[in-house]
Amino acid sequence: AQKVTQAQTEISVVEKEDVTLDCVYETRDTTYYLFWYKQPPSGELVFLIRRNSFDEQNEISGRYSWNFQKSTSSFNFTITASQVVDSAVYFCALSEAYTGGFKTIFGAGTRLFVKA
Amino acid sequence: DGGITQSPKYLFRKEGQNVTLSCEQNLNHDAMYWYRQDPGQGLRLIYYSQIVNDFQKGDIAEGYSVSREKKESFPLTVTSAQKNPTAFYLCASSRSSAGASYEQYFGPGTRLTVT
Repeated sequence: AQKVTQAQTEISVVEKEDVTLDCVYETRDTTYYLFWYKQPPSGELVFLIRRNSFDEQNEISGRYSWNFQKSTSSFNFTITASQVVDSAVYFCALSEAYTGGFKTIFGAGTRLFVKA
Repeated sequence: DGGITQSPKYLFRKEGQNVTLSCEQNLNHDAMYWYRQDPGQGLRLIYYSQIVNDFQKGDIAEGYSVSREKKESFPLTVTSAQKNPTAFYLCASSRSSAGASYEQYFGPGTRLTVT
């Protein structure tokens, strides 16, 4: 069965600190996809990254980076030099094949507070 | 601009009344989804639709109904049978997920309060 665990409920950092958000997943499939989304206070989720299970290459996009390790079933997200605008809830999601398509489940989210 | 619109942003209803939440997209996406979010929790899938005139139940479909008569529209009805309907409802769309899973694009959400 699918499962996504974001063990960190809330994280509080001071601006310019680096912060890593953890995501651990469970799946029996060999083909699956992982995602990160950001939910700012406005409520609308914003897509950040998509990764398929065959691509373990880490990715960097500006101050954001992602570390995908199949050996530990983890897909962690690091924000370098955090800013107040990074304050939001971040969701990790797992998608695997299901009847007629793919089904996505979301972790419970990690609320990040970045203080000035 | 392309995107997803949900209306209204806030909705108040009395217990026992059915209510319909609107979701429209102009992204030309085949797949659409409805999620429910409760405070401090992740998103839970209510219904999803891969194509017009077809939809499937998600994990928490009881007390909800949907229709998909047009590609652009995927309204959700919260019926009086839903025991705890007060929540934040999010609609999303994506490219067809028949062969792969793609990122979902979300609307701004509707916060429903039932008293």
